[in-house]
Amino acid sequence: DQQVKQNSPSLSVQEGRISILNCDYTNSMFDYFLWYKKYPAEGPTFLISISSIKDKNEDGRFTVFLNKSAKHLSLHIVPSQPGDSAVYFCAASGLNNNDMRFGAGTRLTVKP
Amino acid sequence: EAGVAQSPRYKIIEKRQSVAFWCNPISGHATLYWYQQILGQGPKLLIQFQNNGVVDDSQLPKDRFSAERLKGVDSTLKIQPAKLEDSAVYLCASRDQGAGAPLHFGNGTRLTVT
Repeated sequence: DQQVKQNSPSLSVQEGRISILNCDYTNSMFDYFLWYKKYPAEGPTFLISISSIKDKNEDGRFTVFLNKSAKHLSLHIVPSQPGDSAVYFCAASGLNNNDMRFGAGTRLTVKP
Repeated sequence: EAGVAQSPRYKIIEKRQSVAFWCNPISGHATLYWYQQILGQGPKLLIQFQNNGVVDDSQLPKDRFSAERLKGVDSTLKIQPAKLEDSAVYLCASRDQGAGAPLHFGNGTRLTVT
């Protein structure tokens, strides 16, 4: 049961350009959407989140957009830096963060 | 603040053997999670604790997996007997109170079952 989907397993961008990572979900009851970043041999670390009552949240170089009608969210990284190279997971949960569901991840490579 | 601590970092066992993982969450975090991450997939929730009570264990294979969180602080996850398909990274996470508060993950235990 894949309630959260990341259809692109990998993405490669040039340093300084924009990285756009996409995520789709099927459960309209999700209240929070989060992005996590994972480096090899480390656990995922929280990056940015958005509540279902908003359509945009920005934190420095990172912006998350939510389109509830399309059940789609995206993470924009501008400008991309080589240190951003990692696996990015999209996650979604209900009000109490019970049963947070994760996508399969997208591996981002930022080339110098 | 100190992060989520997990041990061991790596474990190799033969099938049918047993194994246990330990987790110490961030101080003050009442909610603790165990996730299983198989290579190429996202983390999958195994069990969620609120203090020392189980909130959700619907995806825990209870015939072989067990978990406890005595005293509502640290937790152990056990597999007995292990199968080849249990090879994965086992991640522990904890969360502060508040709607939408993010999970904080440990570095995980990589289990290889041969």
